[in-house]
Amino acid sequence: DIVMTQSPDSLAVSLGERATINCKSSQSVLYYSNSKNYLAWYQQKPGQPPKLLIYWASTRESGVPDRFSGSGSGTDFTLTISGLQAEDVAIYYCQQYYSTPYTFGRGTRLEIK
Amino acid sequence: QVQLVESGGGLVKPGGSLRLSCVASGFTFSDFYMTWVRQAPGKGLEWISYISTSGTVIYSAESVKGRFAISRDDAKSSLYLQMNSLRAEDTAVYYCARVAAGTGSWFLDYWGQGALVTVSS
Repeated sequence: DIVMTQSPDSLAVSLGERATINCKSSQSVLYYSNSKNYLAWYQQKPGQPPKLLIYWASTRESGVPDRFSGSGSGTDFTLTISGLQAEDVAIYYCQQYYSTPYTFGRGTRLEIK
Repeated sequence: QVQLVESGGGLVKPGGSLRLSCVASGFTFSDFYMTWVRQAPGKGLEWISYISTSGTVIYSAESVKGRFAISRDDAKSSLYLQMNSLRAEDTAVYYCARVAAGTGSWFLDYWGQGALVTVSS
């Protein structure tokens, strides 16, 4: 199984500042034949289901604000939230869909400082 | 708009059974793979099962294999999860989710609100 390791477990960022969340996979999730990274990011607010933010490591889902961006390749990925807003308080999960079982990271809790 | 509505959760004793349902609307249900993902209280996400269009391909995680069975009824736009031999560690919120369209697109673009299953004596 591919293990997804997120860091940090939690972080507090001031409003308007940048938040950076890391995700590392135990093996590469880059499929060389199509040059795609099989990595997604989700946001889960309290009492709500997860919401898809980013897929193919860097493609923003329709309707997701452009302050959310994804980057990285192979085994190391980053979710960046530029200009943090109060409504961004949530837990963020990465997920690999390169091979079954499709696995999630343990989540990073983002709070306002 | 796409909607997924789960039902059937509740309290069940260890060793018991429960059947979850998920009714979909706002899209052509038969065109999409569907999944169940669970989240234990205060914990992360676990993808436990998926079913292909027309139900010909089914995947189950090792943690539920042989105990849980996913199925679908395209005429009713409905997804099901039959859960047998339930254990305390199956206590979780169970989410119905849609697999995004496209080859290899095994990410989940729509989720239901979830159904809580509590296994306790």
